[in-house]
Amino acid sequence: GQQVMQIPQYQHVQEGEDFTTYCNSSTTLSNIQWYKQRPGGHPVFLIQLVKSGEVKKQKRLTFQFGEAKKNSSLHITATQTTDVGTYFCAGRASGTYKYIFGTGTRLKVLA
Amino acid sequence: SQTIHQWPATLVQPVGSPLSLECTVEGTSNPNLYWYRQAAGRGLQLLFYSVGIGQISSEVPQNLSASRPQDRQFILSSKKLLLSDSGFYLCAWSFSLAGSYNEQFFGPGTRLTVL
Repeated sequence: GQQVMQIPQYQHVQEGEDFTTYCNSSTTLSNIQWYKQRPGGHPVFLIQLVKSGEVKKQKRLTFQFGEAKKNSSLHITATQTTDVGTYFCAGRASGTYKYIFGTGTRLKVLA
Repeated sequence: SQTIHQWPATLVQPVGSPLSLECTVEGTSNPNLYWYRQAAGRGLQLLFYSVGIGQISSEVPQNLSASRPQDRQFILSSKKLLLSDSGFYLCAWSFSLAGSYNEQFFGPGTRLTVL
């Protein structure tokens, strides 16, 4: 079945350093979404990517969708303590309603 | 605006006891509905999803079941809980139009501990 892996599993950075998490799917995706889950909270939608090679930016966050639509990345520039949490990608194969979530990357930012 | 409710927020149950978790959505019609489970410090595992009343797709064979008796109500049940059923249960909804902007909106979740 479809699998979505994320690396790294954990990342500790000093405040102000950059951070990147990578998402890889075993199958070609129709679209991919990114979510952030704060400690003790529920996942909150960040962004959706649909087109091959698409790049979207939200302030210090940059999201990319691979040309083959099987991988994606999230890059945070100059991390802040408010960026702490677990970042998940979620991929949907064409012809299905379901999303398969990645394993997540837990980010800790040291002040 | 749309809102999603889940209850209870926390639950402690003995092994072998039944379970019923309820999720309701307000402010939209015919949503896609999802149940996820998240083990401590782990990712989200899709358990069930539904695209309409009475339509349930099961993703993982286990002792859990789901029902959708009304358009905006999604229930997760078990007849006999196992220790391995402990976790954070999240309900989510999305708009149902194929190909449209269909982010998932998550409820606050239920933390279940089976002892």
